[in-house]
Amino acid sequence: DSGVTQTPKHLITATGQRVTLRCSPRSGDLSVYWYQQSLDQGLQFLIQYYNGEERAKGNILERFSAQQFPDLHSELNLSSLELGDSALYFCASSVILNTGELFFGEGSRLTVL
Amino acid sequence: EDKVVQSPLSLVVHEGDTVTLNCSYEVTNFRSLLWYKQEKKAPTFLFMLTSSGIEKKSGRLSSILDKKELFSILNITATQTGDSAVYLCAVYSGGGADGLTFGKGTHLIIQP
Repeated sequence: DSGVTQTPKHLITATGQRVTLRCSPRSGDLSVYWYQQSLDQGLQFLIQYYNGEERAKGNILERFSAQQFPDLHSELNLSSLELGDSALYFCASSVILNTGELFFGEGSRLTVL
Repeated sequence: EDKVVQSPLSLVVHEGDTVTLNCSYEVTNFRSLLWYKQEKKAPTFLFMLTSSGIEKKSGRLSSILDKKELFSILNITATQTGDSAVYLCAVYSGGGADGLTFGKGTHLIIQP
């Protein structure tokens, strides 16, 4: 158990809908990262927050947004969902990213029908 | 653009065999190379390598980095069915999470 908690574990929704994925980082970790993993693309970095502020942005679509709250939990919002958004979404945390070592949650599997 | 290429993409061996997984990279500012193991769900950290030629070991797993040739290998000896997983290689080039690039992974299947 990495100490990173993600909910929900599974989510099935329809195209055009909006969902929110939630992540609680390990106790003491200030940085939260969101990754998308699909079969053909591997792990793709979406966005990073550090202590409530956006720190780095990767290949995140404009339909997606995220935030980190004062208690350090984070939410990833996915809107106007398309079939291609079906994937495993991981949250990871670290104290601060200076070595690349991340602690991953179990992931939220999103299926868009 | 930073790039990490793993080979083979998939590998099937028998229990007891030794396997070698490869990772080559191209990054603008190398800081570290990491190996993760992903079973059904979350990737879990195995090794972090920063210096060339120094082997890291953990039980039957070991890894080494060659910074001149820009590659790393992960060896697993006396494989067991529990070693079946996707092994991910990632390279960190600094500057925040956008400096961490993952390869697509090697899917390793150990048959009894």
